[in-house]
Amino acid sequence: GAVVSQHPSWVICKSGTSVKIECRSLDFQATTMFWYRQFPKQSLMLMATSNEGSKATYEQGVEKDKFLINHASLTLSTLTVTSAHPEDSSFYICSARDRTQGETQYFGPGTRLLVL
Amino acid sequence: KQEVTQIPAALSVPEGENLVLNCSFTDSAIYNLQWFRQDPGKGLTSLLLIQSSQREQTSGRLNASLDKSSGRSTLYIAASQPGDSATYLCAVSLHQTGANNLFFGTGTRLTVIP
Repeated sequence: GAVVSQHPSWVICKSGTSVKIECRSLDFQATTMFWYRQFPKQSLMLMATSNEGSKATYEQGVEKDKFLINHASLTLSTLTVTSAHPEDSSFYICSARDRTQGETQYFGPGTRLLVL
Repeated sequence: KQEVTQIPAALSVPEGENLVLNCSFTDSAIYNLQWFRQDPGKGLTSLLLIQSSQREQTSGRLNASLDKSSGRSTLYIAASQPGDSATYLCAVSLHQTGANNLFFGTGTRLTVIP
């Protein structure tokens, strides 16, 4: 089956630093990747949609200058949290869509970010 | 705006019991509905996907139904096992946006007691 990986699985950083999270589709080409954020005991909220070779589309209320998304290849998308603050602490999950499988999204294992 | 609600928020059952999880959504113009499983601190595993034209889907001990007109879906788990303990999320995709955007419920945390 389609596998999506994320790295790192968890990260702790100091306030003001930047953190990069990678999302990879391991055995398929993902024309579209999605980034979600999940706060404790809350549901997943879509942050942005990333299409290979083009700029990401951000959801309302998500700061594009703070959450930089790059989808440079068909198997890799990165999310960089710039100048992280404690309120950015959350669980970040990516998903990828396989062009040969239609619209099914395959989810990564998530990255837990803790900003001190 | 699509809102997805799941009831109950948490559920504990003894092993072997059959159980039903509920999901409701406010906008009936959906493209499809999915049920996911999420283990603590982990990503999502897709369990069942129901297209808007379908009434139900089955996989093993799991059966999901969809009543689009009333904005409801149920996930039935037969003969529950301790390994079924997890958070179950339902998500709908709106017709207007295809599958580009999934609206998730807040989940039902299931505990199956041995």
